[in-house]
This record gives sequence, C-alpha cells and structure tokens, in this order.
Amino acid sequence: DTAVSQTPKYLVTQMGNDKSIKCEQNLGHDTMYWYKQDSKKFLKIMFSYNNKELIINETVPNRFSPKSPDKAHLNLHINSLELGDSAVYFCASSPSGTGDYNEQFFGPGTRLTVL
Amino acid sequence: GQQLNQSPQSMFIQEGEDVSMNCTSSSIFNTWLWYKQDPGEGPVLLIALYKAGELTSNGRLTAQFGITRKDSFLNISASIPSDVGIYFCAGRGGSNYKLTFGKGTLLTVNP
Repeated sequence: DTAVSQTPKYLVTQMGNDKSIKCEQNLGHDTMYWYKQDSKKFLKIMFSYNNKELIINETVPNRFSPKSPDKAHLNLHINSLELGDSAVYFCASSPSGTGDYNEQFFGPGTRLTVL
Repeated sequence: GQQLNQSPQSMFIQEGEDVSMNCTSSSIFNTWLWYKQDPGEGPVLLIALYKAGELTSNGRLTAQFGITRKDSFLNISASIPSDVGIYFCAGRGGSNYKLTFGKGTLLTVNP
C-alpha cells in the first residue's frame, strides 16, 4: 500500500544515454512534483503538474521532460545524460497545490549515477 | 527568489539531550513545514504550521511558526538514536504551489 512509489530505485548509466524514471501515487492527489537532491542534500523543485497540467517549470535544461499520462502518474525523461545529472530524484504528491492542509508526500527516491 | 537559511548545518549530541534548529526566510511564508529524511529514503513530514505564532507538537517534537512569518524553529526533546537523520524546513508563500527547502540539519545522536 505504498503511497508514492518510484522506479527504478537505482539507475546507473553512461553519459549520453536517454533514461526515464517513473512515479505513481495512490493517494488520489491532484498535484505531483519532481525534485532533485544534489550531493550536498539540497532539495530543489524541478517540475509540478496539477491534473496533468504543467504548473511549475523551474530553470531546468530542456533535456529533462516530464510527462503526466494521468493525475496518478508523473514520469521524468532525461535525454543526453551528463555527469552533472547524477543526483537523487524525488517524486512527491499533494492533494491540490495551494492552500493549507495541502502538504507534499515524497517517494523513496531514485539514485541516478551517470558514468 | 525566496531563500531559507537553516541552522545549524549539523549537530552531534548525546542521547537524552534536547535539540533545537531553526530556519529564517528573506520573505514572508504562509506555511512552514518540517521534514525528516533517513538515509536512502524520501523526506517524511513531521509537523506543519499554518498560522503566525502557532506552536504544534508531535510527540517529542515541537515546532513554532514565528510571529514575523519569516522564521520557524523545531525542538526535539530527550533525543534517542532513531532521531538521527537530516531535518529540513520548508516554506510556502501565498497561493504558490512551490515549496522552498532549507539546506538541512544533519543530526547525529550518540548512544
């Protein structure tokens, strides 16, 4: 009965490859997010979707493309992977996106290592 | 953009001691949150604060939303070894979907 799940847990790949990370939530939430956590543990928002509509798009290289086939899923595709993309990527979800009592629940993370 | 200063960066304490950490912001927030991250896991929400001056407890944890709406603190009383982890503050302003995170406080508890 995992609330927010991500696959894979670990991803090791070569520079230049294209890879995807998948996220699913079974909480019935409307809003989903992708965060990047760097080696210093700093958490930074990348994207957010509300009911399949993109609402946050931070300054992220356009090699990163989120896709939300439905409101329970938010996948992250990364083209032409670079060494600097190595990080832990977290998916999160919240009931909507604004207002009180609307907190974000995080998945277990995907550790991406680019060689 | 909004920035959060979280301190201290790290703490080494003995089991049984009390701990305090805080966050300050360059701008006003309407919501303050405190998360804990265990190694290899995602952040888990500990306490959420929605009103200036609000003081909320969750077991041995107590957090307050500062009166100026630009700061928050988290206290942990009578620490135990399983309190080890990284504690993050996060804030949200207005109707913005976006959470801004502090850089975390790494807590180590010596048994």
